Amino acid sequence: NAGVTQTPKFRILKIGQSMTLQCTQDMNHNYMYWYRQDPGMGLKLIYYSVGAGITDKGEVPNGYNVSRSTTEDFPLRLELAAPSQTSVYFCASSMRDRVANEQFFGPGTRLTVL
Amino acid sequence: LAKTTQPISMDSYEGQEVNITCSHNNIATNDYITWYQQFPSQGPRFIIQGYKTKVTNEVASLFIPADRKSSTLSLPRVSLSDTAVYYCLVGALSRASGSARQLTFGSGTQLTVLP
Repeated sequence: NAGVTQTPKFRILKIGQSMTLQCTQDMNHNYMYWYRQDPGMGLKLIYYSVGAGITDKGEVPNGYNVSRSTTEDFPLRLELAAPSQTSVYFCASSMRDRVANEQFFGPGTRLTVL
Repeated sequence: LAKTTQPISMDSYEGQEVNITCSHNNIATNDYITWYQQFPSQGPRFIIQGYKTKVTNEVASLFIPADRKSSTLSLPRVSLSDTAVYYCLVGALSRASGSARQLTFGSGTQLTVLP
């Protein structure tokens, strides 16, 4: 299993541009999550999904959108990039009926907005 | 949201036992306590999880007092490769609603293991 994969690894955006961060997992996990991590800080939950077609907001959803059309994929969309969205973005997944919160993380996408 | 507080940093020497404490005064009844390890430029990795008392696995132990307002991650005989940031996560996934909004990572503890 590849686990959780994220693309791209790095990206530089100009203010106002849009982009989609891709996340795929091959573990057949129901739950998927998007976090952001600012320098020297902990992770903050942006959005999560409990299954295909079901998504919900986390702690810091403003400026982002998500969709979950399949079990495997959970893309994160930035519509109008702002400097405040400069961060490292992590995608994670977990099984539903297993130990709560045992999440498997991807390698992250480092995004810079200039 | 359950707020967590951890020491910013800790130093230790190889072979010593390290204890990292996380404070979570407003933990909810359904919340679990989970610890993750993160190396630079990598995603966090699950270490251990517990609800109450003591949990032990092949890499760590987790001690949770009866009031559950704090927890202590214990790493036995650390090595240089244990140098990382350790995060305490408090929260729960509600099976009924699927609500994960209560998942809260602390700011983490930078553990540096010295030779």
